[in-house]
Formats: sequence, C-alpha cells, structure tokens
Amino acid sequence: GAVVSQHPSWVICKSGTSVKIECRSLDFQATTMFWYRQFPKQSLMLMATSNEGSKATYEQGVEKDKFLINHASLTLSTLTVTSAHPEDSSFYICSARDRPLEWGNSPLHFGNGTRLTVT
Amino acid sequence: KQEVTQIPAALSVPEGENLVLNCSFTDSAIYNLQWFRQDPGKGLTSLLLIQSSQREQTSGRLNASLDKSSGRSTLYIAASQPGDSATYLCAPTTGNQFYFGTGTSLTVIP
Repeated sequence: GAVVSQHPSWVICKSGTSVKIECRSLDFQATTMFWYRQFPKQSLMLMATSNEGSKATYEQGVEKDKFLINHASLTLSTLTVTSAHPEDSSFYICSARDRPLEWGNSPLHFGNGTRLTVT
Repeated sequence: KQEVTQIPAALSVPEGENLVLNCSFTDSAIYNLQWFRQDPGKGLTSLLLIQSSQREQTSGRLNASLDKSSGRSTLYIAASQPGDSATYLCAPTTGNQFYFGTGTSLTVIP
C-alpha cells in the first residue's frame, strides 16, 4: 500500500533556530501534499496545501513566511519552521493522496508525524 | 469552511460491546469521507473511505455509513476490543481539502 514517510519523528530545537521537516511518498507520486499541525488534545488543523512545482496554498491565519513549504518533486515536500518559538511546539503531520486525479477514489495517507519542541 | 463535529468527545466501554461514533459536517458537497484512528503521539491510520455516492462501507468489525444530504456519518465498531482504544477522527473531503473533527477518544476496558 501507499506509504508516506515523515522525518524526523521528533526534534528539539532552541528558540530562534529553523527546523526542516521532510515528507516523502515512498511508492507513489504525490502532486499534492497536505501539512497539518495538532496541539495536545486537539484535532488536526490544516496548515497548507503543497502543490508540486508551485507555491503552497496556506489556510487563513497561517503565516507563510513562518512556515515555508517547498514541494520540489513529486515525492518530496518539506516544511521549514523558521525562527521557531516555544509556541510553535506542536505535532506536525503531512499527508498525500496516491491518486490525485481521481477525487472519488483517493484515500489520504499520512506520515507518522513530527513532534517539535522549541526550548 | 467545513465545520466537523464528533460526538461523543470521549467514550469508555467494556470489552465486547458494540458502539457507534457520530460525525456531522456542515458542507454536504463532499467528494468522500474518511475515518481515521490515531494512537497517542502517533500519526493517523486510515480505516475506511466512503465515496459520496455510497451509503456505507465495511471493513472487518468496522462499518461506516454516510448520509451526505444531512451531513452525517457514523462509525460502528462491533465486539470492541482493548486494542480499539484510540482517538477516532472523521474527515469529509471538500474539493482538495480535508477538515477534521476533534475526534472521539475511545477506551475499551478489558
């Protein structure tokens, strides 16, 4: 089955530094990937939609200069949290469809998430 | 914007019971709806995908129904087991967007 690999699974960084999270589709091509964040005991919130070869579409309230998304190839999207602050500490999850052109038959596959802690 | 509500927020049942989790959404113009489970600190596992033209989908002890016009979906779990303990999330798809509810936290007591 379709597998989405997310790396790293956890990271601790100091305030002011930047952190890059990678999301790879291992056995399929993903023209679209999605990035979510999840605070403790809350649901996932869509941050942005990452489109291969073009700019990401950000949800309202998400700072695009803070959360840089690059979707350079059909199998890789990256999320960079720039100048991280403690309030950015969260669980970040990426996902991708394995059949982007067939909306009706396209389950979403998720990575295992990245736990970011900013000290 | 799609609003997704899941009831109950938490549920605790003894092993062996059948149970129903509810999901309601405000925008009925969906392509499909997916149910996921999330174990603590982990990512999501897809359980079932129901197309907008379908009424229900079954996988093992799980059965999901969809009433698109009324904006409702239910997840039925038969003969619950302790390993079913997790948070269950529903996610209707509207175009290229997935929006999640806050989930139902299920605990199955041995």
